[in-house]
Amino acid sequence: DTEVTQTPKHLVMGMTNKKSLKCEQHMGHRAMYWYKQKAKKPPELMFVYSYEKLSINESVPSRFSPECPNSSLLNLHLHALQPEDSALYLCASSQDEAGGSYEQYFGPGTRLTVT
Amino acid sequence: QQPVQSPQAVILREGEDAVINCSSSKALYSVHWYRQKHGEAPVFLMILLKGGEQKGHEKISASFNEKKQQSSLYLTASQLSYSGTYFCGTPDQGAQKLVFGQGTRLTINP
Repeated sequence: DTEVTQTPKHLVMGMTNKKSLKCEQHMGHRAMYWYKQKAKKPPELMFVYSYEKLSINESVPSRFSPECPNSSLLNLHLHALQPEDSALYLCASSQDEAGGSYEQYFGPGTRLTVT
Repeated sequence: QQPVQSPQAVILREGEDAVINCSSSKALYSVHWYRQKHGEAPVFLMILLKGGEQKGHEKISASFNEKKQQSSLYLTASQLSYSGTYFCGTPDQGAQKLVFGQGTRLTINP
């Protein structure tokens, strides 16, 4: 099974709402990632978890809060977002940290719209 | 630092060949290639490693010139299914993450 699942597929939220994005993989991968992707742009790394510990935070605003409850799950908690945060949010996983020899498997993404 | 891809866009007829290039200003020990179709997630195609090892796709080939810090993706006898945006990714920050190029949009027409 080489699947990464993400829920929800679409999310519309107001600037005062609190919501969470969820990601799950059952490939035994030890590294998990959150990316943000705007239209016609490459995925932009937000966070990296390695062995359930946050290893990279790309200076992401605190209104985005990641969480890794266990080795299979990754959450992204959203609070007080801005309209410019509207984007496709992608989760990915790899056997180990991906800068080297390991491919990343991406989930289908959550299309987020902030109103 | 973000790798640079060229060309930015290519339009081909089915059956034609395409080459997509990726270059970096930093020394590389691996290059990753991904394809993203419209409205879908990126899908892994290939990794090229220093020393010549490759892992990935059967019908798509690639080269990796370590000295020139460049990689090229070769799409031969293109099929309609090859349409999409191709991204190369290079390792950064002690190999803890990938940085993606700006992408090359490939359109295959019948």
